[in-house]
Amino acid sequence: KNEVEQSPQNLTAQEGEFITINCSYSVGISALHWLQQHPGGGIVSLFMLSSGKKKHGRLIATINIQEKHSSLHITASHPRDSAVYICAVPPWFGNEKLTFGTGTRLTIIP
Amino acid sequence: DTEVTQTPKHLVMGMTNKKSLKCEQHMGHRAMYWYKQKAKKPPELMFVYSYEKLSINESVPSRFSPECPNSSLLNLHLHALQPEDSALYLCASSHRDRQRGEKNYGYTFGSGTRLTVV
Repeated sequence: KNEVEQSPQNLTAQEGEFITINCSYSVGISALHWLQQHPGGGIVSLFMLSSGKKKHGRLIATINIQEKHSSLHITASHPRDSAVYICAVPPWFGNEKLTFGTGTRLTIIP
Repeated sequence: DTEVTQTPKHLVMGMTNKKSLKCEQHMGHRAMYWYKQKAKKPPELMFVYSYEKLSINESVPSRFSPECPNSSLLNLHLHALQPEDSALYLCASSHRDRQRGEKNYGYTFGSGTRLTVV
């Protein structure tokens, strides 16, 4: 079973700060998902990446397959970025079970 | 259309009621999922349908009954629930690629149904 760890568990920052959330996993994977969940809300898929780096607006996700590590960065953070960020990994072969990290609760203060 | 649509958004039901949750996607995804999420916890997988057939049941009590009438629709029928079943129920879907060893990609989640059992 893949162990997925996220850090930090909680993060509070001032508006405009650069944010980094980390995710480590124990078993090799084919891809990793970054997800966002606002309080009381559903889940939004931010990125799925299998190598290198992806960018969408102020969000950047990177993955190092050899080190089994991924990071999610938010530039020029804004209060609307306040949410729980979750990384999730599927097993290598086409099984449907995602293993979720415990999430990082991000609060951006105006 | 790149969304998974869930209805209703909120549901309050008594322990003797029968209700259904509905999930719909028109992305051509052939895997569909039901998850249960309690407050401040990650989602827990309940059921997976692959090509309209039930492929995974995570030992879910029979008071939850899934149904996949076609490739775009997924229902979750609820009967005789308990207060501890109150949670956010999330639907998701993904592509399945038979030519790549059945790998899943393009996971898309719905906004969820917040269920309260009274």
